[in-house]
Amino acid sequence: GAVVSQHPSWVICKSGTSVKIECRSLDFQATTMFWYRQFPKQSLMLMATSNEGSKATYEQGVEKDKFLINHASLTLSTLTVTSAHPEDSSFYICSARSRTRWIAGGRGPHEQYFGPGTRLTVT
Amino acid sequence: AQSVTQPDIHITVSEGASLELRCNYSYGATPYLFWYVQSPGQGLQLLLKYFSGDTLVQGIKGFEAEFKRSQSSFNLRKPSVHWSDAAEYFCAVGALGDDKIIFGKGTRLHILP
Repeated sequence: GAVVSQHPSWVICKSGTSVKIECRSLDFQATTMFWYRQFPKQSLMLMATSNEGSKATYEQGVEKDKFLINHASLTLSTLTVTSAHPEDSSFYICSARSRTRWIAGGRGPHEQYFGPGTRLTVT
Repeated sequence: AQSVTQPDIHITVSEGASLELRCNYSYGATPYLFWYVQSPGQGLQLLLKYFSGDTLVQGIKGFEAEFKRSQSSFNLRKPSVHWSDAAEYFCAVGALGDDKIIFGKGTRLHILP
């Protein structure tokens, strides 16, 4: 259990266009989803936290108008990179937290399940 | 402010040798501690976690970690590494009532044949 998927797994787009990345919890309901950005050979940087049905909370320095997050349901969150530029090229990873504290194979209030990531290349 | 320090950027060990990856944390409240592994181009897989109770935690793939409050450490160990253990390892810390998990910068593990 506790599987999170991301789509697409990789995408190449031209500068100035917008790209949407989906994050889905496949077998559990996720009240909270997180979006991270990872530069090559570096750690994960939290971009924003999204709760189902409410606006996302962005970390300091992350442009909310550029990185649009929509958490439309308990199983889906989307990240849209608007007017992408080459410096937006990165590995984007989402994670999801269960609605309930206890799910099969997991326990504790901060169990986050990570998606496989989406590699974005902007040319 | 909370932080996680992984002092070793790279670690190289021979296959079959023992491994210890270091992690130190700074957190005002009682921490929840995690170790994740990331293979190249992949997402993160949880190896183990500590919330409370026994300070020696067993995880998947033969890994274990020990929480030492006095040293603010949560080092990851494995008695005998396999070539498939070559990956990036991240230590992370969170706390009850706080949504965020803070990640260390990671340690890249290289395995010599």
